[in-house]
Amino acid sequence: GAGVSQSPSNKVTEKGKDVELRCDPISGHTALYWYRQSLGQGLEFLIYFQGNSAPDKSGLPSDRFSAERTGGSVSTLTIQRTQQEDSAVYLCASSWPGQYNEQFFGPGTRLTVL
Amino acid sequence: RKEVEQDPGPFNVPEGATVAFNCTYSNSASQSFFWYRQDCRKEPKLLMSVYSSGNEDGRFTAQLNRASQYISLLIRDSKLSDSATYLCVVTKNYGGATNKLIFGTGTLLAVQP
Repeated sequence: GAGVSQSPSNKVTEKGKDVELRCDPISGHTALYWYRQSLGQGLEFLIYFQGNSAPDKSGLPSDRFSAERTGGSVSTLTIQRTQQEDSAVYLCASSWPGQYNEQFFGPGTRLTVL
Repeated sequence: RKEVEQDPGPFNVPEGATVAFNCTYSNSASQSFFWYRQDCRKEPKLLMSVYSSGNEDGRFTAQLNRASQYISLLIRDSKLSDSATYLCVVTKNYGGATNKLIFGTGTLLAVQP
């Protein structure tokens, strides 16, 4: 079956612009996560959605970052007024709920802020 | 101190060698443990879960020592295709809610012909 998909695969933007990154999870997966990976850094948790529960936003680095998940499926991560330090690969993952369930990652969106 | 610490490497080993990666985690409340593999410019993929009793999958053996908060991965008979970054991962479950993965920065393995 289809895996997690993300779009765009690459995004180059100018400092101060807003960007939207999209994630399509595996069909049926109720848990969805956003992570980011900066050059030379480990993956950093950003936000978690599970079903209809309130999302866990504890990893968002600033109020310029927000995310939505519509209809329990597709998710959009929005970064407002982008800064150069936002440049990273943004990875989405989905899974069945539960700590022992494998998280399947999408290919990521490589964001470059000039 | 980072929650999950790994030797970044690189580990350069010849084909056929046995190589071991170690990882320590700081939060004793960590509940699940995994090794993920990440190829260059690709997404991470689950290699194996790590259980307290230790587990083996072909050439790969994972061990967990909860008392020492230490996780290991052993790769026997290394193949060129094993070249990748190996990520040590732990999870915490927040009262049945978030199951976020806490990643180490990864250990780079380069298997040489």
